[in-house]
Amino acid sequence: DVKVTQSSRYLVKRTGEKVFLECVQDMDHENMFWYRQDPGLGLRLIYFSYDVKMKEKGDIPEGYSVSREKKERFSLILESASTNQTSMYLCASSSSDGYNSPLHFGNGTRLTVT
Amino acid sequence: GIQVEQSPPDLILQEGANSTLRCNFSDSVNNLQWFHQNPWGQLINLFYIPSGTKQNGRLSATTVATERYSLLYISSSQTTDSGVYFCADSGGGADGLTFGKGTHLIIQP
Repeated sequence: DVKVTQSSRYLVKRTGEKVFLECVQDMDHENMFWYRQDPGLGLRLIYFSYDVKMKEKGDIPEGYSVSREKKERFSLILESASTNQTSMYLCASSSSDGYNSPLHFGNGTRLTVT
Repeated sequence: GIQVEQSPPDLILQEGANSTLRCNFSDSVNNLQWFHQNPWGQLINLFYIPSGTKQNGRLSATTVATERYSLLYISSSQTTDSGVYFCADSGGGADGLTFGKGTHLIIQP
């Protein structure tokens, strides 16, 4: 079974802090994604990566950056956390069979910025 | 990008009932997937179904790609089926999946 592991289930940070959300997958997947989920807005794509050291902006990249130094790890960085970044963050991965293959999610990190 | 509409937004059923959830897409589909989010927030991939019909136990899904819609059938509902069901597709691009707003399903004992 595919396992996508997010380092924290709950996180509380202060406004202005630099925040790192870590995600690791164990299936040698090429593709990794970061989404955020908010009530009424659904899941929205922040950033994605199709290979090591590659990154692409999703629909809402402002205020975020990412890092993919190793194939299995994809980090989401909030350079200066703000209260409007309070949300559920979901990491996902998929294999690169063309670019169409099942997406698998981690358990999510619920981030609160105070 | 592709637009995804799900219906109904909410559904309350008694245990044992059957249900049909629907997704309509604004563009051609080629990466269509159904997910279940349980009350603890975990998103589980139910089906990868860009076309045709698949079945997995009490769940089945059908995608009619030419008409840009997909249906998820749940038979003999159980309380553990409760949660939010999402459909998603990449709309022919390679830029990740776009999700619908979900159908919130409550199965009452």
